[in-house]
Amino acid sequence: QVQLVQSGAEVKKPGASVKVSCKASGYTFTSYHIHWVRQAPGQGLEWMGIFNPSDGATSYAQRFQGRVTMTRDTSTSTVYMELSSLKSEDTAVYFCGREYPGNYHPGDYWGQGTLVSVSS
Amino acid sequence: QSALTQPASVSGSPGQSITISCTGTSSDVGNYNYISWYQQHPGKAPKLMISDVSNRPSGVSNRFSGSKSGNTASLTISGLQAEDEADYYCSSYTSSNTYVFGTGTKVTVL
Repeated sequence: QVQLVQSGAEVKKPGASVKVSCKASGYTFTSYHIHWVRQAPGQGLEWMGIFNPSDGATSYAQRFQGRVTMTRDTSTSTVYMELSSLKSEDTAVYFCGREYPGNYHPGDYWGQGTLVSVSS
Repeated sequence: QSALTQPASVSGSPGQSITISCTGTSSDVGNYNYISWYQQHPGKAPKLMISDVSNRPSGVSNRFSGSKSGNTASLTISGLQAEDEADYYCSSYTSSNTYVFGTGTKVTVL
């Protein structure tokens, strides 16, 4: 069955970086795009970017340009999202979702979410 | 890219129908039929309910339906049930090759 399993919760200090992983199984890893979406406490969903595991292509939301990097390890079917220069406002649950190319939605299957807390 | 506009809350009694609106611009909702809707229960990941304005993924109840007119998309839940109580978000592809979510709507079953 399709599964996206994310890494565990992280606690970071302002200015630091965090790298969240999303390990895919149950489907052909390179056949689906991966979206990253975050949700601050009590707030709505916010789209961060999309990653193509087949060729490494990315598209990031403008507000994260220069601070976010998405990469992959095809040997482990894992996509990574690294966010740098963390601020307290980056405290949120980060989700990964998969999209079949051309379906144009942020995800039909989702990871369980990773809580990233940023505090001094 | 500003978030799409949704009502903060919508409520209805069991068995009734409710509609949630999602208003964007000509750069997103108005220019593409790539509108999706997500249901999210507290502490859970989003669940895809509708894609491409009105397509229901396999396994999603036919009580959920979607439509679009101009810059506004809509999600209708008919025969409202207690399990439908959740937060709902719309999403649209944009002319910048990005995606944007709506502000979210809390659905309460009275």
